[in-house]
Amino acid sequence: EADIYQTPRYLVIGTGKKITLECSQTMGHDKMYWYQQDPGMELHLIHYSYGVNSTEKGDLSSESTVSRIRTEHFPLTLESARPSHTSQYLCASPGGAGDPYNEQFFGPGTRLTVL
Amino acid sequence: GNSVTQMEGPVTLSEEAFLTINCTYTATGYPSLFWYVQYPGEGLQLLLKATKADDKGSNKGFEATYRKETTSFHLEKGSVQVSDSAVYFCALSPNAGGTSYGKLTFGQGTILTVHP
Repeated sequence: EADIYQTPRYLVIGTGKKITLECSQTMGHDKMYWYQQDPGMELHLIHYSYGVNSTEKGDLSSESTVSRIRTEHFPLTLESARPSHTSQYLCASPGGAGDPYNEQFFGPGTRLTVL
Repeated sequence: GNSVTQMEGPVTLSEEAFLTINCTYTATGYPSLFWYVQYPGEGLQLLLKATKADDKGSNKGFEATYRKETTSFHLEKGSVQVSDSAVYFCALSPNAGGTSYGKLTFGQGTILTVHP
């Protein structure tokens, strides 16, 4: 089982600020994902990575950007936060190369509020 | 494209009642199917999964059977507890191969509240 860590758990910030949401996993897995969960609960894939220096946009367009310089870390950045970015952001990573069914493990999430 | 449709909630039940949350999907090929649960203030946890037709996933008294003919994966529990109160998500993942491999598509989530 993968351990997925996210910081901060909660963040309240003013409009226009730059923020970075951290996600890390300790199992050396190649795949990592970011999901955005809106107040209506729906989850949407916004970014994913299949390994170092690999990043792709997901199904839902997002103004955020990601980077994957190290296997363990997959941070998400908003250059200029806006109230429309208020949401919960969930990071996930699958169970590893031996799991062909892509069971994903999720971090606890970061609840972002932009005033 | 792939899609997952869950029954709309919220669902409110008394303790020990029978639970069904319907889930149907649209996908090419033979996806893997999952139920995830999200307790208040937490991330998602895998509840159960099924990876091929007629498989039954089960965990903590919950069950779901992969029905290819009806493209369904309904979640059931014979006797719910207050501690089962949470949001439940049905999801699918394309199986190996293709550019979509590795991505989960979620249903919209169903809030379950169980009263004593």
